[in-house]
Amino acid sequence: GENVEQHPSTLSVQEGDSAVIKCTYSDSASNYFPWYKQELGKRPQLIIDIRSNVGEKKDQRIAVTLNKTAKHFSLHITETQPEDSAVYFCAATGFQKLVFGTGTRLLVSP
Amino acid sequence: NAGVTQTPKFRVLKTGQSMTLLCAQDMNHEYMYWYRQDPGMGLRLIHYSVGEGTTAKGEVPDGYNVSRLKKQNFLLGLESAAPSQTSVYFCASSYSGGVAQPQHFGDGTRLSIL
Repeated sequence: GENVEQHPSTLSVQEGDSAVIKCTYSDSASNYFPWYKQELGKRPQLIIDIRSNVGEKKDQRIAVTLNKTAKHFSLHITETQPEDSAVYFCAATGFQKLVFGTGTRLLVSP
Repeated sequence: NAGVTQTPKFRVLKTGQSMTLLCAQDMNHEYMYWYRQDPGMGLRLIHYSVGEGTTAKGEVPDGYNVSRLKKQNFLLGLESAAPSQTSVYFCASSYSGGVAQPQHFGDGTRLSIL
């Protein structure tokens, strides 16, 4: 069935370091891969997304890479700041819906 | 433009009571979704709709019903609430371009079943 695995479940970094979160998906027909950030007590918010016809996309300090052959995609955050601390969810398209990963709790220490 | 609005924001129920959660979107989106999120866990899909008058089951549909009588509204019903349904419920919607579009989330409804 449709499945998205996300690693690691928890990630602690020092301010200024880079953070990488990885996801793998099972459905070879998946063609859209969004990333959401959820701060404590808030709604998930889209931070970046990528479509299957693109290998990499950047937006300031965040970037996403996609390897369709290996069926995995990654979120890269550079120069992390304390306000980057949140739970991050990856997702991939399934049949009529998005399939979400289980989330990564990122903690950025000053 | 309010986006996705969920009503109510908080609710406490007793076991066996019923209630309806309302989700309204003003973006003319075709697709709407209901998720539940338990502490420390991800988003689990309960039911979804790909257009007015349509509904479909998600990953965890048992104990819930939904209706999409109007395009802008998606209702989630609990017929007989159980403590296991204590959770935060999120509604989301996406553009008519199909599933390969960003989902926009509401602020959530915190539901406690005693």
